[in-house]
Amino acid sequence: GNSVTQMEGPVTLSEEAFLTINCTYTATGYPSLFWYVQYPGEGLQLLLKATKADDKGSNKGFEATYRKETTSFHLEKGSVQVSDSAVYFCALRTGFQKLVFGTGTRLLVSP
Amino acid sequence: NAGVTQTPKFQVLKTGQSMTLQCAQDMNHEYMSWYRQDPGMGLRLIHYSVGAGITDQGEVPNGYNVSRSTTEDFPLRLLSAAPSQTSVYFCASSMTGTNTGELFFGEGSRLTVL
Repeated sequence: GNSVTQMEGPVTLSEEAFLTINCTYTATGYPSLFWYVQYPGEGLQLLLKATKADDKGSNKGFEATYRKETTSFHLEKGSVQVSDSAVYFCALRTGFQKLVFGTGTRLLVSP
Repeated sequence: NAGVTQTPKFQVLKTGQSMTLQCAQDMNHEYMSWYRQDPGMGLRLIHYSVGAGITDQGEVPNGYNVSRSTTEDFPLRLLSAAPSQTSVYFCASSMTGTNTGELFFGEGSRLTVL
């Protein structure tokens, strides 16, 4: 079946550190892949996406590359800020607007 | 600039009680859905609707009912609450014309069933 596996959190970093949050998936074919972010007290919002192999999604300094050969979509940012503290969800699309989400990874950034 | 509005934000029920979680959106989105978020399990799709009068089951529909009488509203009903339904519930909507995978989420409703 379709599934998404994310690294366990929380991930704790100092401001300006480099961030990687790992995400791997299992799916039939080549689904579109997404990263959603949930800031404290808010609903999830789309951060970035990639629709085919080797695509790179980017937004707000975050990047993720769709790697077909390793079935991965790792999230990266070169220099995190305190305002990036949130929960990050990796997801894949299984049907019309139907998403399968990972368990989420909490990121804590300290000044 | 309301977007997707969920009420209530918090609710405590006793086993066997019924309640309705409300969801309203003001973006004229035809697609609406309900997810539940549980520790260690991510978000799971409960029910969804592609337009007024049309609903369908998601991954975990048992114990929940939905209806869609208007484009704006998509209430989720628990007819007889069980402790296993303790969770955070999210309503999400999107445009139907494009299959972009971009969903707009409400802030969530935290339900505790004792």
